[in-house]
Amino acid sequence: EPEVTQTPSHQVTQMGQEVILRCVPISNHLYFYWYRQILGQKVEFLVSFYNNEISEKSEIFDDQFSVERPDGSNFTLKIRSTKLEDSAMYFCASSSRLQTVGNSPLHFGNGTRLTVT
Amino acid sequence: LAKTTQPISMDSYEGQEVNITCSHNNIATNDYITWYQQFPSQGPRFIIQGYKTKVTNEVASLFIPADRKSSTLSLPRVSLSDTAVYYCLVGDLGKGDSSYKLIFGSGTRLLVRP
Repeated sequence: EPEVTQTPSHQVTQMGQEVILRCVPISNHLYFYWYRQILGQKVEFLVSFYNNEISEKSEIFDDQFSVERPDGSNFTLKIRSTKLEDSAMYFCASSSRLQTVGNSPLHFGNGTRLTVT
Repeated sequence: LAKTTQPISMDSYEGQEVNITCSHNNIATNDYITWYQQFPSQGPRFIIQGYKTKVTNEVASLFIPADRKSSTLSLPRVSLSDTAVYYCLVGDLGKGDSSYKLIFGSGTRLLVRP
């Protein structure tokens, strides 16, 4: 079964540094998402991306964050200047079409654990 | 914004049937109801999705009453490996046709005991 893959599985960085989290969505999917989960808390929506542009973003997704689909396969999340509170699991997801049409659920990767020191 | 309410936690024993109910009073006409399972340090995994009445797959059943203001995920004969957090989600449309986000609630932490 095709799956969403994320790299690296664990990233440690110092406060103020830039990080890029990488994702390879399922190949025929058109909608891409980033979510994050702070340890012990719920999964939070960050951003959705379709047709090479951001469709929707949450209040968490401020100017420090950006997303890009640099080629036909990768989908990246960049945090420009990391803060301690950015430490979390970051999950990438993809779907083949809008969720409101049946049988098109989000498929999640297993995440990148980001630790900011 | 269709919010969901689920029990925070549930306990069960191996071999029992587990039913987790979710309320979503403000569900919109074209929203689907989707359930995900999450193990520690893993991404959420799709379990089942439905719009109305009953849906069954190899893993679970989903019961949705006519008013669609709630839904019940049924896990038959749970095993220890079903210990996880279960999320009920309802679609949340964004600003345009291509804009969409799913909002996770706090989920239900299911503990299956031997």
